[in-house]
Amino acid sequence: GESVGLHLPTLSVQEGDNSIINCAYSNSASDYFIWYKQESGKGPQFIIDIRSNMDKRQGQRVTVLLNKTVKHLSLQIAATQPGDSAVYFCAEGGGGKLIFGQGTELSVKP
Amino acid sequence: EAQVTQNPRYLITVTGKKLTVTCSQNMNHEYMSWYRQDPGLGLRQIYYSMNVEVTDKGDVPEGYKVSRKEKRNFPLILESPSPNQTSLYFCASSLSGVRTEAFFGQGTRLTVV
Repeated sequence: GESVGLHLPTLSVQEGDNSIINCAYSNSASDYFIWYKQESGKGPQFIIDIRSNMDKRQGQRVTVLLNKTVKHLSLQIAATQPGDSAVYFCAEGGGGKLIFGQGTELSVKP
Repeated sequence: EAQVTQNPRYLITVTGKKLTVTCSQNMNHEYMSWYRQDPGLGLRQIYYSMNVEVTDKGDVPEGYKVSRKEKRNFPLILESPSPNQTSLYFCASSLSGVRTEAFFGQGTRLTVV
């Protein structure tokens, strides 16, 4: 059933520090994982993805790590900037379905 | 400009009055999908479409209908809206299924009173 009034997990970091956002996924059959960034008043925006046959993938200032043994996904943001402040969602995909995690709110202090 | 366009952006309606939220993409994407976003629950998939005339249920399809008569459009229909369908709705499209980058619309905030 639905849980009403849950607060998002929050991560607060200092500008310039590295951020690590974690996510646990549920379906062992999922073979594709994505991180999205959602700024206030906007739709989610793709950041980086990784397939289940990989453990790590790097983009510009971002790295995604996948641990299939414990069904864990993490997003690392290097040298976090104020513009990185947003809610970050992980998502797992398989077949035609996409299942999103609850989200983590990242707050960057100047 | 490549984009996913939803209309309307905001809608207040009454219980039981049928409504349609439109979604259109100009990227020739095969895959389109609808999500609802509620506080603390993240995004939940309502319906998706792998291609024209092919639609499937997501995790929360009850109370919704969709159609995919042409590639660019994927309207979301609420035949008899109820207050528990008050939510923020997003449409998304991707080139080919969930394993390709999804582009999201700006959202439709629906309030059912």
